[in-house]
Amino acid sequence: EAGVAQSPRYKIIEKRQSVAFWCNPISGHATLYWYQQILGQGPKLLIQFQNNGVVDDSQLPKDRFSAERLKGVDSTLKIQPAKLEDSAVYLCASSPPRGEAFFGQGTRLTVV
Amino acid sequence: QKEVEQDPGPLSVPEGAIVSLNCTYSNSAFQYFMWYRQYSRKGPELLMYTYSSGNKEDGRFTAQVDKSSKYISLFIRDSQPSDSATYLCAMSLSNFGNEKLTFGTGTRLTIIP
Repeated sequence: EAGVAQSPRYKIIEKRQSVAFWCNPISGHATLYWYQQILGQGPKLLIQFQNNGVVDDSQLPKDRFSAERLKGVDSTLKIQPAKLEDSAVYLCASSPPRGEAFFGQGTRLTVV
Repeated sequence: QKEVEQDPGPLSVPEGAIVSLNCTYSNSAFQYFMWYRQYSRKGPELLMYTYSSGNKEDGRFTAQVDKSSKYISLFIRDSQPSDSATYLCAMSLSNFGNEKLTFGTGTRLTIIP
């Protein structure tokens, strides 16, 4: 079974630039999550989708972050404009109904 | 106060030792308790999960939950160098799956051959 695919693996941008990350969940998983993991910290949920609807985006900085899930499958997370404190690993995860969440390898973002 | 507290370590133990990893939490509504293992530059992978209080064993790993003390533990017996990773505790409110996870900061563990 293929895992959660994320791209790119690494990205370096200057502050105030924009960046987008892409996630392809495991086939058939209705729930998709984006987590932010800052160095030395545990992952923090940014947004949760159920199919193509948003379940929880309470911790998403909506003035600069946006996310969408196309046709209930792939998802993109965008940051515009980026700040230095956005440097982190962005993890995408997906889960089936009442099943464990599987994580992708993450996108490591460095904002300089 | 963070909802979930975890000693970040680092923790180094010799091969074959018993490892004890712990988390405390403040939200008594948490029902599901999980341990994830994260190797360097990889995503977290689920090791074990337990529902409410009690123990659960899986091979060399044992997870314990004490809801009265808001304290969870992961024990690793006969530790191996391949166990070297960051261990994250995580919790959710009502469902296993389809529910956001609240993570601890992670404990970085090194098993010395």
